[in-house]
Amino acid sequence: DAGVTQSPTHLIKTRGQHVTLRCSPISGHKSVSWYQQVLGQGPQFIFQYYEKEERGRGNFPDRFSARQFPNYSSELNVNALLLGDSALYLCASSLTGTVNEKLFFGSGTQLSVL
Amino acid sequence: GESVGLHLPTLSVQEGDNSIINCAYSNSASDYFIWYKQESGKGPQFIIDIRSNMDKRQGQRVTVLLNKTVKHLSLQIAATQPGDSAVYFCAEMVWGKLQFGAGTQVVVTP
Repeated sequence: DAGVTQSPTHLIKTRGQHVTLRCSPISGHKSVSWYQQVLGQGPQFIFQYYEKEERGRGNFPDRFSARQFPNYSSELNVNALLLGDSALYLCASSLTGTVNEKLFFGSGTQLSVL
Repeated sequence: GESVGLHLPTLSVQEGDNSIINCAYSNSASDYFIWYKQESGKGPQFIIDIRSNMDKRQGQRVTVLLNKTVKHLSLQIAATQPGDSAVYFCAEMVWGKLQFGAGTQVVVTP
């Protein structure tokens, strides 16, 4: 069975551009979460989606947005990129996204902003 | 130029020895905790979890201990192997969102 898949694996952008990252959850999982991991730190929560509805949002600016599609895949969009947005962006899926449920992570998209 | 970043705490352990990784969590209301292993270039991999109604849970070669009094979590790895070399994160579930600790780099030496 495929795990959480993310694309692309690596991406280079310049300041001011926008980026779209994609995630496909584990088959049968209906909830997707996005995390940002800056080098040398633990992942930081950005968004959680369940059944196409946003369930939670972390402390990130409005330049960050996301959505979930009927097939439960998800996109993370970041506008007006800043150098500080350079990070590994991780997608995680879970069955229902309820509290105290295991999250399974993909390998991430490494975003470099120049 | 040289990049500056956070330096993770490092645990150096000899192959075959036991490893103990410690973690302090922040929210006394947290009732679910997970340990993840992250290898270079990969996403965090689930190792073991524990709920707050337990103080110990064992898996294959791993044991998690939870001390709610002092808000402390530990991960014990028995007979550490070269494949255990990675960064280990503890995470607490806070209002449905995982909050990760800073991580510990485990280096297994022959």
